[in-house]
This record gives sequence, C-alpha cells and structure tokens, in this order.
Amino acid sequence: DGGITQSPKYLFRKEGQNVTLSCEQNLNHDAMYWYRQDPGQGLRLIYYSQIVNDFQKGDIAEGYSVSREKKESFPLTVTSAQKNPTAFYLCASSSTPQATGTEAFFGQGTRLTVV
Amino acid sequence: KNQVEQSPQSLIILEGKNCTLQCNYTVSPFSNLRWYKQDTGRGPVSLTIMTFSENTKSNGRYTATLDADTKQSSLHITASQLSDSASYICVVSGAGNNRKLIWGLGTSLAVNP
Repeated sequence: DGGITQSPKYLFRKEGQNVTLSCEQNLNHDAMYWYRQDPGQGLRLIYYSQIVNDFQKGDIAEGYSVSREKKESFPLTVTSAQKNPTAFYLCASSSTPQATGTEAFFGQGTRLTVV
Repeated sequence: KNQVEQSPQSLIILEGKNCTLQCNYTVSPFSNLRWYKQDTGRGPVSLTIMTFSENTKSNGRYTATLDADTKQSSLHITASQLSDSASYICVVSGAGNNRKLIWGLGTSLAVNP
C-alpha cells in the first residue's frame, strides 16, 4: 500500500525531554512537511523539505529540529526548548511543493502529551 | 494580511439533508484553493483543489465552488451520511511572493440519524 505513516500514534513524555516523531512515505514524493494542530487554530507549518538533505523553517520552527537524510523519511524532534509541546503533529508529503496546487497526503498524526 | 475565514464554526444536520459550508479569503495574489475533510484524531484528506480559472469541482457528493472575484468558496454536501461527520478545512495558497498555504480553522459538521 502506498501512503504516509506516522509513529507512534500517541506519545507521552516528561517535561524537559527531547522526543522524536517518525514520518515515512513510500509515495516517492520529493516534498515533505510537518504541521502542528492545536484546538481553535489552523494548521501551522513547522518545517518543510523539498529535496533530500535540504529543509527550511516554517512559521513556528523554534524548539523543533528535523533531518532529511533519505527521501522517504522526515523525522521531527521536539526539543526541551519548545515551550508548549503538547499538540497533535501531522506529517504530509507531496510530489511537488503544495503551493503549486499539488495534492498533499497526510499521515494519521501523532498526539504528543508532555506531563 | 492573508486570512481565511470559514463559516459556520459548527453545524448539525440530519442524515440525508444537504448543507453548504462557506470560505472567504483575503489571500492575494491567489493561486489555488482546496478543501480538506478531517475526521477526529486523524489527518486531513483532500476533497478538491481549484485554481483561479475553475469555478466548480465535484468529488462524489461533495461540490466546491469558487468565485475568485469576490474571494469566496463554498463546499456543498449532498444527501449527507453519518460518515460525513468531520471537520472541513479550507486552505488557500498564494502566488508569486505570497506563495504559502493559509489554513482556515474549519467547520465542524455533525450528521445525526
């Protein structure tokens, strides 16, 4: 099956710990994205990557880091510097940049709770 | 300022009824507009994508319209089903130097039996 897979679905971490969210796609897409979704707010872009070994900050990159060592993988690390990490995190991919009108495919999300 | 506003915020309808969701935007210059369906606790799924030159697009029981002059779009759902209960999100992409996606807050639709 072609698709985009996020893991884990639920994640609990203690305050001050770094945590890495996994995102894998087998759609052969060049572009990948990480979004954060909070109640009462639209999706906000954290980081995006248009090609392997290259990525750019989105609107709310502070406290997050990413890597793009392989085309199919785009992991997101939530660091201790992120002040309000509890949220629903969504990974997406598209064949070309979304802004061009290309359809983006989303994973099922990871709900991160920091206690 | 780039904005996407959706109305109503929430809506309850009976199974089998039709409904229309609204999206107004101020994004300029405009490139494309898309509607997503997001079930609770899951990722969004694309319903339609429309460019400047398209004024209507259908996907099964979902029909989206776009008026680029008035900067308005609507999503019409025909013969609603219980599985249509979800959040419907309007997303507008700018063009040129304004090439980014602006996400609306969504309309929460509940279809009751």
